[in-house]
Amino acid sequence: QSALTQPRSVSGSPGQSVTISCTGTSSDVGGYNYVSWYQQHPGKAPKFMIYDVNKRPSGVPDRFSGSKSGNTASLTISGLQAEDEADYYCCSYAGSYTLVVFGGGTKLTVL
Amino acid sequence: QVQLVESGGGVVQPGGSLRLSCAASGFTFSSYGMHWVRQAPGKGLEWVAFIRYDGSNNYYADSVKGRFTLSRDNSKNMLYLQMNSLRAEDTAVYYCAKLGRAFYDILTGYIYFDYWGQGTLVTVSS
Repeated sequence: QSALTQPRSVSGSPGQSVTISCTGTSSDVGGYNYVSWYQQHPGKAPKFMIYDVNKRPSGVPDRFSGSKSGNTASLTISGLQAEDEADYYCCSYAGSYTLVVFGGGTKLTVL
Repeated sequence: QVQLVESGGGVVQPGGSLRLSCAASGFTFSSYGMHWVRQAPGKGLEWVAFIRYDGSNNYYADSVKGRFTLSRDNSKNMLYLQMNSLRAEDTAVYYCAKLGRAFYDILTGYIYFDYWGQGTLVTVSS
């Protein structure tokens, strides 16, 4: 069982927006602003999409945005495109003992 | 461009050992901490271990602590993961990943993986 809870799947039509939630505790997501998100296409390595809750690395489209409220972080993808269909994982710093925790992943289907 | 190439995976019996390697290029390897992350077949990502840019400190997930050892050779741009006392639950694709900021330790909270290798499959089975 993963430390962070994500919905198993979400879906949306091209052009729509979808939001993926990532729920942790005050010991990880709620306690630090060190949340990141990764996109993984089947058979491929993960790709770095969001860090520090809401910052985008260079090259990531601004259709991808992140936010956090309390113990729940969210990834929003607006203007859905077919190539956005992938698995998405959240990740958080969890303090000096546990250090790093991931969510279980969410499969995004573009209808 | 940044390249990370893992090798050393394979099939090993329970209780056995394996050493994974990660060859880095396209960046100043000695300036960046490095992670290993694994993914069991059909499952999610699990952080395994991190080594500081200078090799002075390592951190491990509880699931591998005492069994896995991380090391690096900055003169060869190489990262290594020595895995001992392997169990069936260690079966996974193992990725090496670069920390996104130079000279950082993940104790700062900056834990991000900005580049990943393609992974190497480790199968623990009798």
